[in-house]
Amino acid sequence: GAGVSQSPSNKVTEKGKDVELRCDPISGHTALYWYRQRLGQGLEFLIYFQGNSAPDKSGLPSDRFSAERTGESVSTLTIQRTQQEDSAVYLCASSPPRGGSNEKLFFGSGTQLSVL
Amino acid sequence: GEDVEQSLFLSVREGDSSVINCTYTDSSSTYLYWYKQEPGAGLQLLTYIFSNMDMKQDQRLTVLLNKKDKHLSLRIADTQTGDSAIYFCAENTGRRALTFGSGTRLQVQP
Repeated sequence: GAGVSQSPSNKVTEKGKDVELRCDPISGHTALYWYRQRLGQGLEFLIYFQGNSAPDKSGLPSDRFSAERTGESVSTLTIQRTQQEDSAVYLCASSPPRGGSNEKLFFGSGTQLSVL
Repeated sequence: GEDVEQSLFLSVREGDSSVINCTYTDSSSTYLYWYKQEPGAGLQLLTYIFSNMDMKQDQRLTVLLNKKDKHLSLRIADTQTGDSAIYFCAENTGRRALTFGSGTRLQVQP
């Protein structure tokens, strides 16, 4: 596809269960980001992958959250032992190799996670 | 602090101009961006400005940058109902992932 694809679009889970969210970036994009957006709030940075560099995990809120990316392709965000406060839209974005430091993000439409 | 700040809500009448304001945090930010989020969708890049510029115009959109005050604004001329959305500013310091503001919800009344 032409854009960033995220799956599933909606996920309802029970408290304590693990969930896995998937992001397919635009082909050729070296950078990939995960953000969280709680209802009515702004974007909260979670994790950032740039090429083969070590990921910036500084935004992960707890050790229940982890993410992987294989090369410059698919990424998965895993949340273990989900809690109700994890309910949010999880947005993935990718960006092409930088022209200078201009980093233009292309966002997917997100995964709406609801923890009951 | 680390927060990029925006007012939460703006309501305008169709045909009027809208001005959405943002205060960012890092004086070394190289690029500043405006993104638009429509209901149920991800964010879409609207426009951006390089830090050595103080104004950029793109059709109905005008971006103003005041580096001294670390203030960024987005003016939408002749606002239409289709402009109703949440608008996010973001800063790029080149050292970490883009930092987004909390978003301004623009409501356009017919």
